[in-house]
Amino acid sequence: GESVGLHLPTLSVQEGDNSIINCAYSNSASDYFIWYKQESGKGPQFIIDIRSNMDKRQGQRVTVLLNKTVKHLSLQIAATQPGDSAVYFCAEGDSSYKLIFGSGTRLLVRP
Amino acid sequence: SQTIHQWPATLVQPVGSPLSLECTVEGTSNPNLYWYRQAAGRGLQLLFYSVGIGQISSEVPQNLSASRPQDRQFILSSKKLLLSDSGFYLCAWKGDRRGEQFFGPGTRLTVL
Repeated sequence: GESVGLHLPTLSVQEGDNSIINCAYSNSASDYFIWYKQESGKGPQFIIDIRSNMDKRQGQRVTVLLNKTVKHLSLQIAATQPGDSAVYFCAEGDSSYKLIFGSGTRLLVRP
Repeated sequence: SQTIHQWPATLVQPVGSPLSLECTVEGTSNPNLYWYRQAAGRGLQLLFYSVGIGQISSEVPQNLSASRPQDRQFILSSKKLLLSDSGFYLCAWKGDRRGEQFFGPGTRLTVL
């Protein structure tokens, strides 16, 4: 079936460096993509979203890139901080009410 | 502001016992509500979705059920728990922004 997956289950970065978390999707009907951050023992939190008619969107220290040709989504975090340590999920949506979540990437920030 | 509550925070139940997890939302009316399950180290699996009182959509066949007796109350139940029901259960409500969901603190269920 359709699915959203991630290339790297764990990413370790040095504090201050930039982080890039990748995600592949397979549902061609998806036209909306979201990144969520989940800290240990908590529910996920919305970070940033992007519609399929865009290829880049920037937020505060975060940028989401969308490549529809290869069905690839990435989250870039600038100047990674210890508070960024968490599991990051990409999710895709279409015209329905559902979001399909990927399996997650754990980001570890080394001091 | 809107808040979402879940209880209990943790629960340990024997196989075959019943289950009732509650989710309530404050500060919003007629919210779209979701129940998700998250296995250890995994993503979120959508279990149920509700657009209003008494309206439940089930996403996967299982021994769980959901009910929405009040506008801001969403309950997840089971008559007999299985070992495979262990996981982190999350309730969420849909925000105004497309794809935006606000999650509760979750209930960690361990079935022994």
